[in-house]
Parts: sequence; structure tokens; C-alpha cells
Amino acid sequence: GAGVSQSPRYKVAKRGQDVALRCDPISGHVSLFWYQQALGQGPEFLTYFQNEAQLDKSGLPSDRFFAERPEGSVSTLKIQRTQQEDSAVYLCASSSRDGDSPLHFGNGTRLTVT
Amino acid sequence: GQQVMQIPQYQHVQEGEDFTTYCNSSTTLSNIQWYKQRPGGHPVFLIQLVKSGEVKKQKRLTFQFGEAKKNSSLHITATQTTDVGTYFCADTEETSGSRLTFGEGTQLTVNP
Repeated sequence: GAGVSQSPRYKVAKRGQDVALRCDPISGHVSLFWYQQALGQGPEFLTYFQNEAQLDKSGLPSDRFFAERPEGSVSTLKIQRTQQEDSAVYLCASSSRDGDSPLHFGNGTRLTVT
Repeated sequence: GQQVMQIPQYQHVQEGEDFTTYCNSSTTLSNIQWYKQRPGGHPVFLIQLVKSGEVKKQKRLTFQFGEAKKNSSLHITATQTTDVGTYFCADTEETSGSRLTFGEGTQLTVNP
């Protein structure tokens, strides 16, 4: 009965390093979302998967950001050549279907780029 | 793009006082979801409103959806210290049918 699991919980990267953030959604949840949350702000949409298909990646801020969900369950968000402005909490959420379904969020990964 | 505005940004109350946060949009909202995020935590779903003029209650929390579906509110009666956190409204963008657009949130602190 686990919820959405994200790892690592904290990540410190030097500027220019690549990072990979993992999300393990609730079993059976079709939809998976990635959000970025800066301090004191609301979550900002990054990308959305329905099963293994990435249906919307319009929120990814640059081509340094890449997400995948190859088998329709676990998802990875990769950030290449990290910059200081990438520092934020990255939240993963899943839902049983798309559209109006409530999102179940993980605890997030706090990324700090030094 | 679609924007959902929330006011106030911060609210400090004494325990036992009431609290209200408002969510406004210049465009018609398809539906509204409300989430609560405790300090250091992640957003947790509270409720969804779909119909124009809809009112839903959860114990001391009352959620309303405006008649024109352009605004929503969350009212907490007799706040408790456990109500501390940031309250977000979020709307599904009609064009995408999938992404939730979150407001900036209202951060509530409750003094015991």
C-alpha cells in the first residue's frame, strides 16, 4: 500500500554535473507527472506520461531536461549539465487516470546545485 | 497561458480564528482541486469541485466553487495548529486535459 516513492530525497550537484531523479508511482496508476517547486512557490508542471507515452513535455524548461518511463511504471527525470537555477524540489505525482483525477505526490527530491 | 491567482499569499491567525483563501481566474475554470502542503512536506489532495456553485464540507473546512466557475474559496472555521501549511488551488487546463496548474498558494500560520 505504499504511496509514490522518490529517490534520492536530497541531491547536491556541482554545476555542470548530470543528475537522475527516480519516481516509483503507486502501483496501477496510469498517469505520472513531474513538477518543479521553487521555495515559496506553487508546483510548476514539467511533463506528463500516460503509461509509457510522454504526452506532454511542454513544461520542461530546456533541452537539458529529459524524462522517461520506459515500461509504464518507474520514471526517471534527468537533468544534464545542471545549473544553479535548477535548484528546486522536484515532485513526482501519479493518478489512476488523467484529466480530473486527484494527484498523489511523492515526498520530492530536493536538488541543490552549487 | 492559464493563470490561477491566489490571495492572500500569507495569513497569520490566532488559534480559534477563521481563515479563508481565495482562488481567482480570468478564464473559466474546468474544475478546481485543493491541496494542502505542510512545512517540509508534499502537496496532499483535499477535494475537487466540478459544478458551478458547488459547496463541499470536510469537518471545519468549507470549499466553494463560484457560479461563473471563475473563482473558488476554502474557508476554515476555528483554526487549529494542525491547520498550519500552504493551501494550493489547482485547475486542469482544458487544452491539455491533463496538467494541473497550481496557484501560488496561501501560507497559513496559526499562533497557539
